[in-house]
Amino acid sequence: DAGITQSPRHKVTETGTPVTLRCHQTENHRYMYWYRQDPGHGLRLIHYSYGVKDTDKGEVSDGYSVSRSKTEDFLLTLESATSSQTSVYFCAISESRDYGYTFGSGTRLTVV
Amino acid sequence: DQQVKQNSPSLSVQEGRISILNCDYTNSMFDYFLWYKKYPAEGPTFLISISSIKDKNEDGRFTVFLNKSAKHLSLHIVPSQPGDSAVYFCAASGRVQAGTALIFGKGTTLSVSS
Repeated sequence: DAGITQSPRHKVTETGTPVTLRCHQTENHRYMYWYRQDPGHGLRLIHYSYGVKDTDKGEVSDGYSVSRSKTEDFLLTLESATSSQTSVYFCAISESRDYGYTFGSGTRLTVV
Repeated sequence: DQQVKQNSPSLSVQEGRISILNCDYTNSMFDYFLWYKKYPAEGPTFLISISSIKDKNEDGRFTVFLNKSAKHLSLHIVPSQPGDSAVYFCAASGRVQAGTALIFGKGTTLSVSS
């Protein structure tokens, strides 16, 4: 989507290794979010940020950490990847709740 | 416990007919509802939204209806087109804290046949 990019788009990693996914925006939006999408579960919130250095947990935050040192970047880190973290990860941004979210194209992560 | 429920995993409709996708929610604090559409290998895209102060919002072929007493909303697509075939997610939020995040349902896969 215009204004928001996720990297990498695809990644295969081994169990126990650390992994960092990056979300970059050029819209200067205050809010940023990380979701994961799994069959039968829809989109579930991992972590979100409401400003630089301001983050909070979502419903499936165990095993994940985030950092936001500047407005445009929101990083999602899996400290020690497990097979249960194989998923498609989506980053989203929003200026305010009334405008809805703009999602990135996703990162497909496979943990083997 | 699921706060936003889409009980129909899939729906098949013929081109030109109406598609009705349903969504139920349990949290009475939700006051803003949205629908997103998702094609394979792409991120979800915003479709239409409705505030709890309204019971209907229309945008072209898409209309969302909200029944607060039943905690139910529906998305109507008229007429349905093959390009509407996608996964549709219902989402809700409430003014509970700063940066309140959307809670999504599991999605309904719509297939429109020509």
